[in-house]
Amino acid sequence: KQEVTQIPAALSVPEGENLVLNCSFTDSAIYNLQWFRQDPGKGLTSLLLIQSSQREQTSGRLNASLDKSSGRSTLYIAASQPGDSATYLCAVNRDDKIIFGKGTRLHILP
Amino acid sequence: DVKVTQSSRYLVKRTGEKVFLECVQDMDHENMFWYRQDPGLGLRLIYFSYDVKMKEKGDIPEGYSVSREKKERFSLILESASTNQTSMYLCASSPLQGPGSGANVLTFGAGSRLTVL
Repeated sequence: KQEVTQIPAALSVPEGENLVLNCSFTDSAIYNLQWFRQDPGKGLTSLLLIQSSQREQTSGRLNASLDKSSGRSTLYIAASQPGDSATYLCAVNRDDKIIFGKGTRLHILP
Repeated sequence: DVKVTQSSRYLVKRTGEKVFLECVQDMDHENMFWYRQDPGLGLRLIYFSYDVKMKEKGDIPEGYSVSREKKERFSLILESASTNQTSMYLCASSPLQGPGSGANVLTFGAGSRLTVL
């Protein structure tokens, strides 16, 4: 059974720092992995999608990497800003069943 | 701008009431999903649908049913609401054509927070 883990559950960093969020999964036979952002009380907003054949995807200050063999993905946020404060979730797709991690709650300190 | 719209952001219902949560997408997506999100438990899949009039159970279907009479609309039904169904409910859609496609991108609605008293 696929399990998706995100550690740490919460993270606080000063504004301007670069940071890395981690996502690990137990079954490497995935079709793709998606990173989402969720603001309090809101739905999820898709940030990046990495296909199983890709190693990384970039969008602005965000870079997501995928290492299927080790069952790991990272989301790199450059030059963090207070507006980046949110919960970040990763989700893996296997056989059309999409499994979510529980998220990392990120707080950027002004 | 493509959208998934959930009709109610906040609902308060009483135990035993029948509850309808509506979700509409304007992207012509084949697939639609209902999740619930609870602190410490993350997102859990309740039901999903790959096509009109088609439905599949997710991980926690007990106490719920769904309806998909039209491609753009996926309804979640609580036949007799209970306090343990107090939660945030999230609807999503994707353009996935069927099993094996790796291109699906989930688009979520804003969520419906249901409180059952």
